[in-house]
Amino acid sequence: DVKVTQSSRYLVKRTGEKVFLECVQDMDHENMFWYRQDPGLGLRLIYFSYDVKMKEKGDIPEGYSVSREKKERFSLILESASTNQTSMYLCASSYAGAVTGELFFGEGSRLTVL
Amino acid sequence: AQRVTQPEKLLSVFKGAPVELKCNYSYSGSPELFWYVQYSRQRLQLLLRHISRESIKGFTADLNKGETSFHLKKPFAQEEDSAMYYCALSPAGANSKLTFGKGITLSVRP
Repeated sequence: DVKVTQSSRYLVKRTGEKVFLECVQDMDHENMFWYRQDPGLGLRLIYFSYDVKMKEKGDIPEGYSVSREKKERFSLILESASTNQTSMYLCASSYAGAVTGELFFGEGSRLTVL
Repeated sequence: AQRVTQPEKLLSVFKGAPVELKCNYSYSGSPELFWYVQYSRQRLQLLLRHISRESIKGFTADLNKGETSFHLKKPFAQEEDSAMYYCALSPAGANSKLTFGKGITLSVRP
Protein backbone atom coordinates (compact mmCIF):
# COMPACT_ATOMS: atom_id res chain seq x y z
CA ASP A 1 0.00 0.00 0.00
CA VAL A 2 1.20 3.46 -0.88
CA LYS A 3 1.79 5.52 2.18
CA VAL A 4 2.06 9.27 2.23
CA THR A 5 2.82 10.56 5.69
CA GLN A 6 2.54 14.12 6.86
CA SER A 7 4.49 14.57 10.04
CA SER A 8 2.20 17.06 11.77
CA ARG A 9 -1.55 16.59 11.89
CA TYR A 10 -2.28 19.77 13.83
CA LEU A 11 -0.17 22.90 14.26
CA VAL A 12 -0.83 26.22 15.91
CA LYS A 13 1.56 29.03 15.05
CA ARG A 14 1.74 32.76 15.54
CA THR A 15 1.79 35.38 12.83
CA GLY A 16 5.30 35.87 11.51
CA GLU A 17 6.62 32.46 12.56
CA LYS A 18 8.38 30.21 10.08
CA VAL A 19 6.49 26.98 9.53
CA PHE A 20 7.70 23.70 8.07
CA LEU A 21 5.30 21.03 6.87
CA GLU A 22 6.94 17.72 6.09
CA CYS A 23 5.73 14.97 3.77
CA VAL A 24 7.27 11.57 3.13
CA GLN A 25 6.16 8.88 0.67
CA ASP A 26 7.39 5.31 0.61
CA MET A 27 6.59 4.20 -2.96
CA ASP A 28 9.45 5.77 -4.86
CA HIS A 29 7.10 8.21 -6.62
CA GLU A 30 8.73 10.86 -8.73
CA ASN A 31 5.94 13.42 -8.43
CA MET A 32 4.96 15.18 -5.24
CA PHE A 33 2.44 17.92 -4.63
CA TRP A 34 1.25 20.34 -1.99
CA TYR A 35 -2.39 21.38 -2.04
CA ARG A 36 -4.37 23.63 0.18
CA GLN A 37 -7.94 22.59 1.04
CA ASP A 38 -10.46 25.23 2.11
CA PRO A 39 -14.25 24.94 2.45
CA GLY A 40 -15.96 26.36 -0.60
CA LEU A 41 -12.68 26.71 -2.48
CA GLY A 42 -11.78 23.06 -2.97
CA LEU A 43 -8.19 21.98 -3.49
CA ARG A 44 -5.73 24.49 -4.85
CA LEU A 45 -2.24 23.54 -5.95
CA ILE A 46 0.56 25.40 -4.19
CA TYR A 47 3.71 23.75 -5.57
CA PHE A 48 4.70 20.50 -7.18
CA SER A 49 7.89 18.65 -7.93
CA TYR A 50 8.70 16.15 -10.67
CA ASP A 51 12.10 15.21 -9.37
CA VAL A 52 14.65 15.86 -6.68
CA LYS A 53 15.60 19.52 -6.46
CA MET A 54 12.99 20.41 -9.07
CA LYS A 55 9.93 22.47 -8.27
CA GLU A 56 7.25 24.31 -10.12
CA LYS A 57 4.72 26.84 -8.95
CA GLY A 58 1.12 25.85 -8.81
CA ASP A 59 -1.87 28.15 -8.76
CA ILE A 60 -1.28 29.85 -5.39
CA PRO A 61 2.46 29.87 -4.59
CA GLU A 62 2.60 33.29 -2.97
CA GLY A 63 3.80 33.13 0.62
CA TYR A 64 5.09 29.57 0.26
CA SER A 65 8.27 27.83 -0.76
CA VAL A 66 9.21 24.16 -1.04
CA SER A 67 12.21 21.92 -0.75
CA ARG A 68 12.89 18.52 -2.24
CA GLU A 69 16.35 17.31 -1.36
CA LYS A 70 15.44 13.62 -1.37
CA LYS A 71 13.05 11.76 -3.61
CA GLU A 72 10.81 10.60 -0.79
CA ARG A 73 10.52 13.92 1.03
CA PHE A 74 8.77 17.15 0.04
CA SER A 75 8.63 20.06 2.45
CA LEU A 76 6.36 23.08 2.40
CA ILE A 77 7.71 26.21 4.03
CA LEU A 78 5.84 29.28 5.17
CA GLU A 79 8.57 31.88 5.65
CA SER A 80 6.38 34.22 7.68
CA ALA A 81 3.01 32.75 8.53
CA SER A 82 -0.06 34.91 8.22
CA THR A 83 -3.63 34.38 9.40
CA ASN A 84 -4.87 33.86 5.85
CA GLN A 85 -2.68 30.78 5.65
CA THR A 86 -4.82 29.04 8.24
CA SER A 87 -5.95 25.98 6.32
CA MET A 88 -5.72 22.24 5.74
CA TYR A 89 -2.62 21.31 3.78
CA LEU A 90 -2.57 18.10 1.76
CA CYS A 91 0.50 16.42 0.38
CA ALA A 92 0.20 13.96 -2.51
CA SER A 93 2.44 11.82 -4.68
CA SER A 94 2.17 9.91 -7.97
CA TYR A 95 4.22 7.99 -10.52
CA ALA A 96 5.95 10.03 -13.20
CA GLY A 97 4.05 10.20 -16.44
CA ALA A 98 1.08 8.58 -14.79
CA VAL A 99 -1.80 9.02 -17.13
CA THR A 100 -4.15 7.43 -14.68
CA GLY A 101 -4.20 10.62 -12.62
CA GLU A 102 -4.08 8.71 -9.39
CA LEU A 103 -2.66 10.87 -6.69
CA PHE A 104 -2.04 9.34 -3.27
CA PHE A 105 -2.79 11.77 -0.48
CA GLY A 106 -1.61 12.16 3.05
CA GLU A 107 -4.00 12.66 5.94
CA GLY A 108 -3.46 16.38 5.95
CA SER A 109 -1.92 18.98 8.25
CA ARG A 110 -4.31 21.45 9.79
CA LEU A 111 -2.51 24.71 10.39
CA THR A 112 -3.93 27.51 12.51
CA VAL A 113 -2.13 30.84 12.48
CA LEU A 114 -3.03 33.17 15.33
CA ALA B 1 -6.12 27.19 -18.79
CA GLN B 2 -8.31 24.43 -17.47
CA ARG B 3 -11.19 24.85 -15.10
CA VAL B 4 -13.51 22.49 -13.25
CA THR B 5 -16.92 23.64 -12.07
CA GLN B 6 -19.05 21.87 -9.53
CA PRO B 7 -22.14 24.06 -9.38
CA GLU B 8 -23.58 22.74 -6.13
CA LYS B 9 -22.01 22.71 -2.67
CA LEU B 10 -24.38 20.26 -1.02
CA LEU B 11 -26.69 17.48 -2.10
CA SER B 12 -28.92 15.81 0.45
CA VAL B 13 -30.93 12.73 -0.47
CA PHE B 14 -32.68 9.86 1.24
CA LYS B 15 -31.25 6.37 1.21
CA GLY B 16 -32.29 4.56 -1.97
CA ALA B 17 -32.74 7.75 -3.99
CA PRO B 18 -30.76 8.37 -7.17
CA VAL B 19 -27.74 10.63 -7.01
CA GLU B 20 -26.19 12.86 -9.63
CA LEU B 21 -23.21 15.04 -8.76
CA LYS B 22 -22.58 17.56 -11.49
CA CYS B 23 -19.22 18.44 -12.97
CA ASN B 24 -18.48 20.68 -15.94
CA TYR B 25 -15.06 21.45 -17.29
CA SER B 26 -13.32 23.91 -19.53
CA TYR B 27 -10.26 22.82 -21.45
CA SER B 28 -9.24 23.34 -25.05
CA GLY B 29 -7.50 20.00 -25.53
CA SER B 30 -8.38 16.42 -24.71
CA PRO B 31 -8.74 16.08 -20.95
CA GLU B 32 -8.71 13.23 -18.54
CA LEU B 33 -11.40 13.42 -15.90
CA PHE B 34 -11.57 11.95 -12.42
CA TRP B 35 -13.71 11.82 -9.33
CA TYR B 36 -12.08 11.82 -5.91
CA VAL B 37 -13.84 11.14 -2.62
CA GLN B 38 -13.09 12.00 0.98
CA TYR B 39 -15.02 10.15 3.67
CA SER B 40 -15.18 11.55 7.16
CA ARG B 41 -11.79 11.37 8.90
CA GLN B 42 -10.19 9.62 5.92
CA ARG B 43 -7.73 10.78 3.34
CA LEU B 44 -8.74 11.91 -0.12
CA GLN B 45 -8.72 9.02 -2.59
CA LEU B 46 -9.46 8.32 -6.23
CA LEU B 47 -12.98 7.03 -6.85
CA LEU B 48 -12.96 6.58 -10.59
CA ARG B 49 -11.46 7.85 -13.84
CA HIS B 50 -13.18 8.24 -17.18
CA ILE B 51 -10.65 6.25 -19.18
CA SER B 52 -11.41 3.14 -17.17
CA ARG B 53 -15.15 3.25 -17.85
CA GLU B 54 -15.65 1.36 -14.62
CA SER B 55 -18.26 1.33 -11.92
CA ILE B 56 -16.90 1.78 -8.42
CA LYS B 57 -19.16 1.31 -5.38
CA GLY B 58 -22.11 1.59 -7.75
CA PHE B 59 -20.98 4.97 -9.10
CA THR B 60 -20.49 5.67 -12.78
CA ALA B 61 -19.48 8.76 -14.72
CA ASP B 62 -19.61 9.37 -18.43
CA LEU B 63 -17.51 11.95 -20.20
CA ASN B 64 -19.71 14.06 -22.46
CA LYS B 65 -17.39 16.10 -24.65
CA GLY B 66 -20.25 17.91 -26.35
CA GLU B 67 -21.56 19.24 -23.05
CA THR B 68 -18.10 19.26 -21.43
CA SER B 69 -19.50 17.39 -18.47
CA PHE B 70 -18.51 14.45 -16.30
CA HIS B 71 -21.39 13.93 -13.92
CA LEU B 72 -21.17 11.25 -11.23
CA LYS B 73 -24.23 9.05 -10.86
CA LYS B 74 -25.54 6.30 -8.65
CA PRO B 75 -29.02 4.83 -8.99
CA PHE B 76 -29.56 4.03 -5.30
CA ALA B 77 -27.70 6.01 -2.67
CA GLN B 78 -26.44 4.37 0.52
CA GLU B 79 -25.69 6.05 3.85
CA GLU B 80 -22.03 5.12 3.48
CA ASP B 81 -21.86 7.24 0.34
CA SER B 82 -22.00 10.36 2.49
CA ALA B 83 -18.75 12.18 1.81
CA MET B 84 -17.10 15.09 0.04
CA TYR B 85 -16.69 14.53 -3.70
CA TYR B 86 -14.28 16.37 -5.96
CA CYS B 87 -14.18 16.37 -9.73
CA ALA B 88 -10.71 16.79 -11.23
CA LEU B 89 -9.16 17.31 -14.65
CA SER B 90 -5.74 16.63 -16.08
CA PRO B 91 -4.48 17.46 -19.57
CA ALA B 92 -3.93 14.22 -21.45
CA GLY B 93 -0.38 12.97 -21.16
CA ALA B 94 0.63 15.49 -18.54
CA ASN B 95 2.39 14.44 -15.37
CA SER B 96 -0.87 14.05 -13.52
CA LYS B 97 -1.10 17.65 -12.47
CA LEU B 98 -4.72 17.79 -11.48
CA THR B 99 -7.04 20.76 -11.30
CA PHE B 100 -9.83 20.18 -8.80
CA GLY B 101 -13.31 21.59 -8.53
CA LYS B 102 -14.58 23.12 -5.32
CA GLY B 103 -16.21 19.90 -4.18
CA ILE B 104 -19.69 18.86 -3.17
CA THR B 105 -20.87 17.34 0.08
CA LEU B 106 -23.22 14.41 -0.39
CA SER B 107 -25.41 13.62 2.58
CA VAL B 108 -27.50 10.45 2.48
CA ARG B 109 -30.19 10.34 5.12
CA PRO B 110 -31.66 7.10 6.48
